[in-house]
Amino acid sequence: AQSVTQPDIHITVSEGASLELRCNYSYGATPYLFWYVQSPGQGLQLLLKYFSGDTLVQGIKGFEAEFKRSQSSFNLRKPSVHWSDAAEYFCAVGARTTSGTYKYIFGTGTRLKVLA
Amino acid sequence: DAMVIQNPRYQVTQFGKPVTLSCSQTLNHNVMYWYQQKSSQAPKLLFHYYDKDFNNEADTPDNFQSRRPNTSFCFLDIRSPGLGDAAMYLCATSRDRRIPTDTQYFGPGTRLTVL
Repeated sequence: AQSVTQPDIHITVSEGASLELRCNYSYGATPYLFWYVQSPGQGLQLLLKYFSGDTLVQGIKGFEAEFKRSQSSFNLRKPSVHWSDAAEYFCAVGARTTSGTYKYIFGTGTRLKVLA
Repeated sequence: DAMVIQNPRYQVTQFGKPVTLSCSQTLNHNVMYWYQQKSSQAPKLLFHYYDKDFNNEADTPDNFQSRRPNTSFCFLDIRSPGLGDAAMYLCATSRDRRIPTDTQYFGPGTRLTVL
């Protein structure tokens, strides 16, 4: 079955520290992977996406993610976290449906807290 | 700027009183989605429109309906809201669901409270 797992429900880091948010997917075909961020009370904003090519993907707000097919992972990283990065982060895979279209399968999210 | 707009941002309704949430887009996208997101959970797809074609998810309750009168607007109708329907409702758009690289663009959401 197609699924996305974000093993960490909550993560707390200090401002200025590095960050890595984990995402593992289960998908039989070529995965199309996305990371979204949701600030409190807001909608989802696309951070970055991976479709093919270079496995290290750069996104907005200084985020990057690395696709590792052998580990079925698409972890999100940032070298130095800012207080404004406190939010919920969702990983998603674009999965093919039985009708031949594509829909997102979201992970359950990781809530990031940043300590001053 | 092209965007997805949801109105209202906050909606309070009474148990059993019908409510309509609104979404509009200036992206001229073919697809419009409605998601339900409960606290600390992933967004759950309720249904979507591909142009005028309505596509319901198998587990979406009959209490939830949608209308898309034109390309720009889409409405979510909850016929008889229950306490369990209190949630954030997210509208999203995308260009074409037939391609795997299709990216969804989300509105800010409407937080629904049911008293």
